[in-house]
Amino acid sequence: EADIYQTPRYLVIGTGKKITLECSQTMGHDKMYWYQQDPGMELHLIHYSYGVNSTEKGDLSSESTVSRIRTEHFPLTLESARPSHTSQYLCASSPHWGERLPLHFGNGTRLTVT
Amino acid sequence: GIQVEQSPPDLILQEGANSTLRCNFSDSVNNLQWFHQNPWGQLINLFYIPSGTKQNGRLSATTVATERYSLLYISSSQTTDSGVYFCAVRWGGSQGNLIFGKGTKLSVKP
Repeated sequence: EADIYQTPRYLVIGTGKKITLECSQTMGHDKMYWYQQDPGMELHLIHYSYGVNSTEKGDLSSESTVSRIRTEHFPLTLESARPSHTSQYLCASSPHWGERLPLHFGNGTRLTVT
Repeated sequence: GIQVEQSPPDLILQEGANSTLRCNFSDSVNNLQWFHQNPWGQLINLFYIPSGTKQNGRLSATTVATERYSLLYISSSQTTDSGVYFCAVRWGGSQGNLIFGKGTKLSVKP
């Protein structure tokens, strides 16, 4: 299994605050992803990256932004958190953007905006 | 885009029972993965199975790519098997991204 780490595991924050969710992987994977999951629902892709300086929007529109300055690091930022952003955010990576290779997921960040 | 449908949506089992979860997909896929999401939200990779059959302990999976479905078998279920089981596929039209089904919520009663 790939080593992929997300912090924090849980975050409760007030409306209007800026937050950054961290995601790092130690396997040198080129492609990284952010998925959003509401309780009891399926996962939806919100951002992905092919590699350094590459970021793309996913299938689900999101007010969050991402950056990829280093291969191993793919942080997600919300400039002004709102209650509608309450959700679980899952980060994933794959070895390269070959479509036949599996994705590996971090443990997720459960965000609550009050 | 591709449709990924899982059945049943909910399943309640008595401990020790066997079950079969199904995933249908509407187009050819390059990759298929089965995940288990535990009650704490952690997503655990069970199988990477674009075709064929694999087994891991009490779990096994079969994908028949030509008929566009995959099955996940759970034998001698345990309470720790509870959670949501997701099927996810990668196909040519998604830039290699995983598309998830809605999941099967499994509850195993002692």
